[in-house]
Amino acid sequence: DGGITQSPKYLFRKEGQNVTLSCEQNLNHDAMYWYRQDPGQGLRLIYYSQIVNDFQKGDIAEGYSVSREKKESFPLTVTSAQKNPTAFYLCASSIGQGADWYNEQFFGPGTRLTVL
Amino acid sequence: AQKVTQAQTEISVVEKEDVTLDCVYETRDTTYYLFWYKQPPSGELVFLIRRNSFDEQNEISGRYSWNFQKSTSSFNFTITASQVVDSAVYFCALSEAGSSASKIIFGSGTRLSIRP
Repeated sequence: DGGITQSPKYLFRKEGQNVTLSCEQNLNHDAMYWYRQDPGQGLRLIYYSQIVNDFQKGDIAEGYSVSREKKESFPLTVTSAQKNPTAFYLCASSIGQGADWYNEQFFGPGTRLTVL
Repeated sequence: AQKVTQAQTEISVVEKEDVTLDCVYETRDTTYYLFWYKQPPSGELVFLIRRNSFDEQNEISGRYSWNFQKSTSSFNFTITASQVVDSAVYFCALSEAGSSASKIIFGSGTRLSIRP
């Protein structure tokens, strides 16, 4: 079955630690995204990548970093510089070919990060 | 600037009632797409529908229907004869032709609870 997997489902981090959230897709999509969701709020874009070895900052990139070495993978690192990292993180992908602005995005099950 | 407003934070109805979720958007573009996503308790967002700005026909899919009115910048979602399985958070979203990549702006969501 094609889809997006995220791991781990739950993640606990001590203050001052960096943690990396995994996102893998087997949909052969070019574009991938990371969103942050806080209670009662919509999704906010952290980073996105339209193609391998290229990525762009979203609206709230500070304190986060990403890499896109493979088409299938788009890991997100939450660094110690992120002041309030406790949130639900969603990864998504879309076809990403040509004018992709009208294509729907497909989402993974999310990772809930809690800072202790 | 683009914006999506879902004024209803939470809605609770008894099973089999009809319920309408409101969505109002703002955009300066004449070419844009509107989306609805469902987020069940499992966490991942599920794509429901996409509508382009040039197609104002209402759409019906089973118990779901969507009413797109450009005159009022609204894209409302109605569930007929609601069921407990419809309980979820529903997001309305907007993507403009002029935006880079497929940046989608999400509303803050409406939490729908269907009571048995």
